Amino acid sequence: NAGVTQTPKFQVLKTGQSMTLQCAQDMNHEYMSWYRQDPGMGLRLIHYSVGAGITDQGEVPNGYNVSRSTTEDFPLRLLSAAPSQTSVYFCASSSQMDTQYFGPGTRLTVL
Amino acid sequence: DAKTTQPNSMESNEEEPVHLPCNHSTISGTDYIHWYRQLPSQGPEYVIHGLTSNVNNRMASLAIAEDRKSSTLILHRATLRDAAVYYCILRASGGYQKVTFGTGTKLQVIP
Repeated sequence: NAGVTQTPKFQVLKTGQSMTLQCAQDMNHEYMSWYRQDPGMGLRLIHYSVGAGITDQGEVPNGYNVSRSTTEDFPLRLLSAAPSQTSVYFCASSSQMDTQYFGPGTRLTVL
Repeated sequence: DAKTTQPNSMESNEEEPVHLPCNHSTISGTDYIHWYRQLPSQGPEYVIHGLTSNVNNRMASLAIAEDRKSSTLILHRATLRDAAVYYCILRASGGYQKVTFGTGTKLQVIP
């Protein structure tokens, strides 16, 4: 099993550009989440989904959009990148049993 | 949300046991205690979780105080590969739970 996969691993954007961070899981998990981690900080929840077609905001949702058209995929869209969005982004999935499985992360730099 | 408190950093000698403490004085009766760890440049990974009784698995042991206001993650023989940031989090059972990852405890293992 691949578990949770994220692409790309690294990305550099210019201010104002848009892009989509991809996340996919092959464990048939209902729940998926996006977190960001800034240097020396813990993880902060951006958006989450409890199933296909259902998404909600987390702690720091501004500047990000999500959608969940399938159980497997949960892309995160940056609408207009800002330097404050420079961070490492982690996607996670879990079932009702609660253990979260995290992807390897996407390191994003916004110039 | 109930919060947890952990020391910022700890050191251990290789092949010695490590006891990582976590305080959660406002824990509710339905909160499970979860531990995750994050190796350098990787996403967090699940270590162990418990509700009331002490728990063991192949990675670690979890000792939970009788009043559940604190817990201790025990690594029985620290190796260099155990050097990571360890997060203690609380999560109620059932449904999607927004989780707060604090800054955790950075464990340094000395050869």
